[in-house]
Amino acid sequence: NAGVTQTPKFRILKIGQSMTLQCAQDMNHNYMYWYRQDPGMGLKLIYYSVGAGITDKGEVPNGYNVSRSTTEDFPLRLELAAPSQTSVYFCASSYSSRIYTEAFFGQGTRLTVV
Amino acid sequence: KNEVEQSPQNLTAQEGEFITINCSYSVGISALHWLQQHPGGGIVSLFMLSSGKKKHGRLIATINIQEKHSSLHITASHPRDSAVYICAVLVYNTDKLIFGTGTRLQVFP
Repeated sequence: NAGVTQTPKFRILKIGQSMTLQCAQDMNHNYMYWYRQDPGMGLKLIYYSVGAGITDKGEVPNGYNVSRSTTEDFPLRLELAAPSQTSVYFCASSYSSRIYTEAFFGQGTRLTVV
Repeated sequence: KNEVEQSPQNLTAQEGEFITINCSYSVGISALHWLQQHPGGGIVSLFMLSSGKKKHGRLIATINIQEKHSSLHITASHPRDSAVYICAVLVYNTDKLIFGTGTRLQVFP
């Protein structure tokens, strides 16, 4: 099993550009999450989804959008990139609603906005 | 003050040493996770616990719910244990995970 696959691993964007970070999981998990990790800070939840067609905001959703058209895929969209969005982004998935079971993380996407 | 505090922030050790990483939290929780983040970024779940103690190989995690404290111990540390160890708590009766800022461990041969 591939687990959680994120692409790309690295990306440099110019201010105002748009991009989509891809996330796919092959474990049939209902719950999927996007986090950002800033230097010296804990991971912060951007958006999450409890199943296909259902998404909800996390702690830091501004400047991002998500969609969940299938169980497997949970892309994160940046519409107008800003330097404040320079970060490492992690996608995660889990089977149960309250992450009582193990959470699986992708390898991360390091995004720099210049 | 962060709701989840880890100590120390950085830790260096010689191969073979016994390592302890601490996590204190100030909210009511349903569960606590210990995660490992290797250089290069990948995050792996090590333990999820809600009471007592769990052991996996050389890793031991304990939690004291009354004191709102958890520890991660590594016995006979090895250079391949070098990583950032992250504590995360699941806030009681919610879907919210709060992450600590991590403890960077370097084990030298």
